[in-house]
Amino acid sequence: DSGVTQTPKHLITATGQRVTLRCSPRSGDLSVYWYQQSLDQGLQFLIQYYNGEERAKGNILERFSAQQFPDLHSELNLSSLELGDSALYFCASSGDGTSYNEQFFGPGTRLTVL
Amino acid sequence: GENVEQHPSTLSVQEGDSAVIKCTYSDSASNYFPWYKQELGKGPQLIIDIRSNVGEKKDQRIAVTLNKTAKHFSLHITETQPEDSAVYFCAAALQGGKLIFGQGTELSVKP
Repeated sequence: DSGVTQTPKHLITATGQRVTLRCSPRSGDLSVYWYQQSLDQGLQFLIQYYNGEERAKGNILERFSAQQFPDLHSELNLSSLELGDSALYFCASSGDGTSYNEQFFGPGTRLTVL
Repeated sequence: GENVEQHPSTLSVQEGDSAVIKCTYSDSASNYFPWYKQELGKGPQLIIDIRSNVGEKKDQRIAVTLNKTAKHFSLHITETQPEDSAVYFCAAALQGGKLIFGQGTELSVKP
């Protein structure tokens, strides 16, 4: 158990809908990262937050957004969902956001768009 | 652009044999190289990592080597056991901490 929690574990929805994925980092970790894992693209970095502020952005679609709250939990919002958005979404957390900090992953949310 | 190549994509070994997975990264600014093990239905689990000021690191049956000049790093698992069967990912960290992952290696250890 990494100490990172994600909810829900599974999510099934329809095209065009909007969903919210939630992540709670390990106690004391200030940084949260979101990754997408799909069969064709592998594990891809989406976005990083550090202590409530956006720190880095990857190939995140404009339909996707995220935020980190004062209690350090984070939410990833996916809107206007398409079939291709079906994937595993992981969050990871680390200590103070420096490039040397280990990232610990949550169990993921499996999103299925029908 | 930023890229990590990982080989092989699948690896099958007999229990007790060694397994080696190799990665190459493109960005010479990368300075942190973790390895993750992912079992079916679970999130990636950090198993070992190495930083750019170190050439080799060992933790029991697992070792990682880094060649910064060639931009190569490798994972070595000795005395493999069936429970080592999983998908292994290498990654390289750029400034700011985001990880660029390799494509993964599916390791199968046969009893």
